[in-house]
Amino acid sequence: KAGVTQTPRYLIKTRGQQVTLSCSPISGHRSVSWYQQTPGQGLQFLFEYFSETQRNKGNFPGRFSGRQFSNSRSEMNVSTLELGDSALYLCASSLLTQGASGELFFGEGSRLTVL
Amino acid sequence: TQLLEQSPQFLSIQEGENLTVYCNSSSVFSSLQWYRQEPGEGPVLLVTVVTGGEVKKLKRLTFQFGDARKDSSLHITAAQPGDTGLYLCAGEKAAGNKLTFGGGTRVLVKP
Repeated sequence: KAGVTQTPRYLIKTRGQQVTLSCSPISGHRSVSWYQQTPGQGLQFLFEYFSETQRNKGNFPGRFSGRQFSNSRSEMNVSTLELGDSALYLCASSLLTQGASGELFFGEGSRLTVL
Repeated sequence: TQLLEQSPQFLSIQEGENLTVYCNSSSVFSSLQWYRQEPGEGPVLLVTVVTGGEVKKLKRLTFQFGDARKDSSLHITAAQPGDTGLYLCAGEKAAGNKLTFGGGTRVLVKP
């Protein structure tokens, strides 16, 4: 079956702009989680959506937001981009919500560079 | 400070050698997962351990969950270049909570 698909794979933005990243989970998976990965901080949890509801949120400013649609596809948005937002943004889908020890299936990520 | 501390941060060894990666915390976890991430790809789950003292083997990889469920280790026997990658541990503190990742251990196995 098809894996987790993230688009776009690479993008370059300038400070102050906004960006929207998309994630299509594995068919049948209702949980989508987003992570930010940087060399200095590693994998940092952004938020998790399950059945269109945000279940958990990490310690990121309000500039980071997300949503999930009825078909389980998810988008995350970052407004007023800062240089420090440059990172690999990973989406992971799961059959179960994160609290049920479900396996996370990751996409290849969207690499964002902010100039 | 990371909730899960991984050590070492980087490990470079020759093919055929053994290696151990550690994942430590002062917190108790209901379960702990190990992932491997290769360049340009997302992490891939290797194993999940849920019981204190549990040992799981995956070919040349041996995973152990500490008795108190606060720490875990990954041991690779006779490492091969294909084992090269970023190894990440991730823990769940309680049911319904988010998965927290360690900082990762970058392993390089030279032929």
